[in-house]
Amino acid sequence: DVKVTQSSRYLVKRTGEKVFLECVQDMDHENMFWYRQDPGLGLRLIYFSYDVKMKEKGDIPEGYSVSREKKERFSLILESASTNQTSMYLCASRLGRGQNEAFFGQGTRLTVV
Amino acid sequence: AQKVTQAQTEISVVEKEDVTLDCVYETRDTTYYLFWYKQPPSGELVFLIRRNSFDEQNEISGRYSWNFQKSTSSFNFTITASQVVDSAVYFCALSEATGGFKTIFGAGTRLFVKA
Repeated sequence: DVKVTQSSRYLVKRTGEKVFLECVQDMDHENMFWYRQDPGLGLRLIYFSYDVKMKEKGDIPEGYSVSREKKERFSLILESASTNQTSMYLCASRLGRGQNEAFFGQGTRLTVV
Repeated sequence: AQKVTQAQTEISVVEKEDVTLDCVYETRDTTYYLFWYKQPPSGELVFLIRRNSFDEQNEISGRYSWNFQKSTSSFNFTITASQVVDSAVYFCALSEATGGFKTIFGAGTRLFVKA
């Protein structure tokens, strides 16, 4: 069974902290994505990666960076967390090109205080 | 630029009613893919259906059906005889060739089905 695992379900961090959100997939998928989900705004793409060490900005990359050193792992980094980054973060992976569906993790609810 | 609009924020129906969730998309590509996902209260998004831009054939899967019309840039989703278990947030999504097939989602429609 396919699986995308996010390291934490809930996180509480302080303003200014550096925050790492980890995502691991066991499907050997080339593509991985980070989205944030906010009420009324749906899922907004932060970054995606189509191969190891490759990344592309999504629609809202400001304040975030990513790392993909291994195919199975895609990390989202909040360099200096701010309260407006309080949100639900969803990781997804996808095999090959855009015709395939994405598989999602269970989400990480991040609260920045 | 690609865009997905789900104008219905919330819909509330009584069990056994039929309900249609609307999705309108924008893209300049001729090759693109449309998706519907379901997010139940547990939170994990689940894939429901995919359509490519060259296949306008409608599809039915049990109580679910999808109507894809390129002329109106719409990809609507109908649930027939709704059930309480259909209560969820439903997302329409678009993946296009330009931009490396990144997938863009709409804002979602929250469906409440009351017993």
